[in-house]
Parts: sequence; C-alpha cells; structure tokens
Amino acid sequence: KQEVTQIPAALSVPEGENLVLNCSFTDSAIYNLQWFRQDPGKGLTSLLLIQSSQREQTSGRLNASLDKSSGRSTLYIAASQPGDSATYLCAVIGETSGSRLTFGEGTQLTVNP
Amino acid sequence: DVKVTQSSRYLVKRTGEKVFLECVQDMDHENMFWYRQDPGLGLRLIYFSYDVKMKEKGDIPEGYSVSREKKERFSLILESASTNQTSMYLCASSLIDRKNYGYTFGSGTRLTVV
Repeated sequence: KQEVTQIPAALSVPEGENLVLNCSFTDSAIYNLQWFRQDPGKGLTSLLLIQSSQREQTSGRLNASLDKSSGRSTLYIAASQPGDSATYLCAVIGETSGSRLTFGEGTQLTVNP
Repeated sequence: DVKVTQSSRYLVKRTGEKVFLECVQDMDHENMFWYRQDPGLGLRLIYFSYDVKMKEKGDIPEGYSVSREKKERFSLILESASTNQTSMYLCASSLIDRKNYGYTFGSGTRLTVV
C-alpha cells in the first residue's frame, strides 16, 4: 500500500528565505506527483504536476523535483513571502491505484514578515 | 479557467437530517471524487465515480451515498446526518488520462452537524 510522508510537519521562516519541503513515497510505480496548497478553511489549489517521466517542473518562484527511483520529491520556494503561508500537500497517483490520489499529511508553512 | 464548484461553503444541519452536498465541474472530466478532511486524519476518500451512473466506494463510505446522473455533477448524500460527520468535504475531478493530468479541487464545504 502506497504511503506518502512529508517532512517537516511544520516550518516557520523569516520573509525572504529560500526553503525546501520534502515528500517521500514508498512505491515508486507512480504516474505522477502533484503539489497542492491549502489555505485555512479552503479547498486545495494545484501548484505543480510532475509526470513520472519528468525530473522537475517550475512555476514562478516554485520548483518541484521528482526522483521516482528513490521515491522522493521536493518543493523549493524561492524568496518566501508572508502570502506563501499555507499548508502544502503532495499526492501521488500510483500505477495500480486506479485514479486514486494518495496524500501526505502536509507541511504547515508560516512565513514571518 | 477550469472549475470545480461546490454549492455551499458552510452548512449547519441537525442530527438525523438528510443532507445533500453538490459538486459541479465544467471541464468535461470523467472522474469525480468526494473526500473528507479532518485534523490529524488527513484527506480520506469517501466515494468516486468514473462515469455517469457509475460509483465506487472509497475508504470510508459508511453513512454516505452518491449520485451521478450527469457527467458534470456529483452529489454526496448523508442519509441520516450524525455529529461524527462534522467535517470539511472536498470535491475533485480529473481526466481519465491519469498519466498526464492531475486533480482539480473545489473550495470545500464545511459541514457542521448539531
């Protein structure tokens, strides 16, 4: 059974720092990995989707990498801002899971002004 | 911009009521999903659907049912609401091509059962 782990569970940084959020998964047979952002009391907003054949995806200050063989992904946020404060979730679609997403528990990020 | 719309942001219902949560997507997606999210338990899949009139149980289907009469609409039904169904409910959709496309989520419905 696929398990997804995110480290750290919570992170507090001063504004302007570059930071890395980590995601690991136990079964490397995945179709893709998706990073989401969730603000308190809101739904999930998709940030980046990395297909299994890709190594990384970039959107603005965000860069996500994928090492499928080792079961790891990182989300890099450059020059963090208070508006980046949110919970970040990673999720994978496994090759044997149909269309089900398996989620990590999330990293709660606070960027202090 | 593609959208998944959940009809209510906040809902308060009484124990024993029949509750309908509605979700509509405008992306012509084949797959639709209902999750609930609780602190410390993460997101848990309740039901999903691959096609019209088709449904599959997720990990926690007890106490819930679903309806998908049209491709764009997926309804979650709480047959007799109970206080332990107080939660954040999230609807999502995706294309059947799961290799190349991801999920799109709605903004969530915070349901309180009193």
